[in-house]
Amino acid sequence: QKEVEQDPGPLSVPEGAIVSLNCTYSNSAFQYFMWYRQYSRKGPELLMYTYSSGNKEDGRFTAQVDKSSKYISLFIRDSQPSDSATYLCAMSGGWKGGGNKLTFGTGTQLKVEL
Amino acid sequence: KAGVTQTPRYLIKTRGQQVTLSCSPISGHRSVSWYQQTPGQGLQFLFEYFSETQRNKGNFPGRFSGRQFSNSRSEMNVSTLELGDSALYLCASRPTGLEGTSPLHFGNGTRLTVT
Repeated sequence: QKEVEQDPGPLSVPEGAIVSLNCTYSNSAFQYFMWYRQYSRKGPELLMYTYSSGNKEDGRFTAQVDKSSKYISLFIRDSQPSDSATYLCAMSGGWKGGGNKLTFGTGTQLKVEL
Repeated sequence: KAGVTQTPRYLIKTRGQQVTLSCSPISGHRSVSWYQQTPGQGLQFLFEYFSETQRNKGNFPGRFSGRQFSNSRSEMNVSTLELGDSALYLCASRPTGLEGTSPLHFGNGTRLTVT
């Protein structure tokens, strides 16, 4: 079993829909949580960065972390065709929590259709 | 501010050869990490450098090595290439060595194809 599980999709939604992307994890040492967006032939681009449990909002994006359930989510409101990409969750325990490396989910491929 | 720059963007090598990939971090960033991305395994951590010292290493064979220079630029080397080394190699930097307090910023990667 992988440390981080993420549904690979593909997920297809109409323009304007609310998108929900999720990851579950097994390592209780994780305390830093990130969402990256990756377009084809590009590197991952940081979208959201949160520490510990709670919600964080940035424009159309909301990240939620529930450490008790070991579950994180990314919500995209009013989705646009330009949001079509692969979304990767990533997490780290920090230096004291097993090292500073990021452990990634496999990514969810999202397509927003006109 | 310029982002993380990786060169070259594309490489084609033959089995048994070696290859060196280069990374220039964002100006002021002193920590550089390398990741391998493949369709089957996703992104996997290779190693992290800070102030010219390797601070963390992933579960890759010794054929994979790296180094960091005094200007924070980094190189990774893969010797005795195998077909399975074909992947997108991503470099990422973070502002300081403050663990966990700043996220990684990635370059666009070097696409390595081994034939």
